[in-house]
Amino acid sequence: KAGVTQTPRYLIKTRGQQVTLSCSPISGHRSVSWYQQTPGQGLQFLFEYFSETQRNKGNFPGRFSGRQFSNSRSEMNVSTLELGDSALYLCASSLALGTSGGDEQFFGPGTRLTVL
Amino acid sequence: AQSVSQHNHHVILSEAASLELGCNYSYGGTVNLFWYVQYPGQHLQLLLKYFSGDPLVKGIKGFEAEFIKSKFSFNLRKPSVQWSDTAEYFCAVSSFSGGYNKLIFGAGTRLAVHP
Repeated sequence: KAGVTQTPRYLIKTRGQQVTLSCSPISGHRSVSWYQQTPGQGLQFLFEYFSETQRNKGNFPGRFSGRQFSNSRSEMNVSTLELGDSALYLCASSLALGTSGGDEQFFGPGTRLTVL
Repeated sequence: AQSVSQHNHHVILSEAASLELGCNYSYGGTVNLFWYVQYPGQHLQLLLKYFSGDPLVKGIKGFEAEFIKSKFSFNLRKPSVQWSDTAEYFCAVSSFSGGYNKLIFGAGTRLAVHP
C-alpha cells in the first residue's frame, strides 16, 4: 500500500506570495490533518479535514487554509507569505474510525517551504 | 489547553545502554497517547500507541511505554539501545474533546547513540 505522498517536496517563495501544497492520503483513509514543524515551535496542528469538511482547527491565522476533495486528497494554502512561515509542512492521514476510539495517523515526508 | 512536556531535549547514550524518555501531559479526560520517531532524513513514524486496556504497551524495534494515569505520564523505554536508534522522538496526545485527529506534540527529544 502506498504511503502518504506530498507535493512538492521543496518550495522557495518570497514574502507576500501565496503557496499551495498538496497531500494524497493512503488509499481508504478519510481524514487528512496538516501540521507545521519548525525548530522553534516544534510540531503544531494546523487543521483536519474529513469528508471534505474542516473538522478541527489549530491556532493559526486565517492566511492558512485548506480543503479536501471527494477523493480525500487535500490541499493547503498559505496566502501573503511571511518569513516566519518557513517550515516543514506535514500531512497525515487516518482511517477516521469514529469517535469511539483513537486513530493512528500516518505521516507523509513533508513539504519544506522556504520564504525569502 | 492540552500540553505535552518532554523532559529531555538531548540525550546521549552508548550502545547497549538503557533508555527512558519522559513524557507528561496536561489533560484530565480520556486521552490517546503516542510516541513517534523521526530518523534523520525520514518522515515521522509511529513507534507505539495507547488507546485503552493494558497500560504497558509494546511497539516496534523493542520499544515499550507505560501509561500511568495518576501521574499523567507516558514514558518511553528500551532496555538496550543501538546506534540505529539515533533519531528524534516525539510524544503526542489526542483526546475526544480536542478531536482525535488533533495531535498535540511535545518538543521532542534528540537521541544520539554512540557505538
